[in-house]
Amino acid sequence: DAKTTQPPSMDCAEGRAANLPCNHSTISGNEYVYWYRQIHSQGPQYIIHGLKNNETNEMASLIITEDRKSSTLILPHATLRDTAVYYCIVRVPYGGAQKLVFGQGTRLTINP
Amino acid sequence: EPEVTQTPSHQVTQMGQEVILRCVPISNHLYFYWYRQILGQKVEFLVSFYNNEISEKSEIFDDQFSVERPDGSNFTLKIRSTKLEDSAMYFCASSEIRASETQYFGPGTRLLVL
Repeated sequence: DAKTTQPPSMDCAEGRAANLPCNHSTISGNEYVYWYRQIHSQGPQYIIHGLKNNETNEMASLIITEDRKSSTLILPHATLRDTAVYYCIVRVPYGGAQKLVFGQGTRLTINP
Repeated sequence: EPEVTQTPSHQVTQMGQEVILRCVPISNHLYFYWYRQILGQKVEFLVSFYNNEISEKSEIFDDQFSVERPDGSNFTLKIRSTKLEDSAMYFCASSEIRASETQYFGPGTRLLVL
């Protein structure tokens, strides 16, 4: 699986959009970009995933660059409850029981 | 919304004792996983399981560890003889067999070995 690079920490004001970047310059054509977050020591929570098109769901938007070498997770109106560690993971989604490889992620702090 | 559940939420044990951590995956999921997270460290993959067999295991998953699906709903992780360094959060996850295979995680079991 391709390696990802994320900033170790970011701050964002409550109510503003939080934009979390991720570099995955070695991504291959069949690898998806997944985003998870972990609040305190809770289990990682799935947020969103995509291949090459931008994606949006009730939690967030995912913008993937045309060359697929980087992506941005957008939390449109961040709340204090969005304070968490956010993980960008690249993997092939099929082929049976593929593990997730977590990096250090980005520690996002939402400030009141 | 369906979710993965884990029991117990906390477990304290003496070094050398056996522990069994239990998970109930989402009902229509067929891939199952265990991960662990030592305090302050990354989430690490332990093992994946499908069709009553281990699909993949990490170097951490040595002979002290075993997994089992004893019935149609539970998925267990057994640590035969616990060590101090086994103290960690243990997360179970499950996923469907389909294109995205998104893994959904349980809340975890905090294991403390004394």
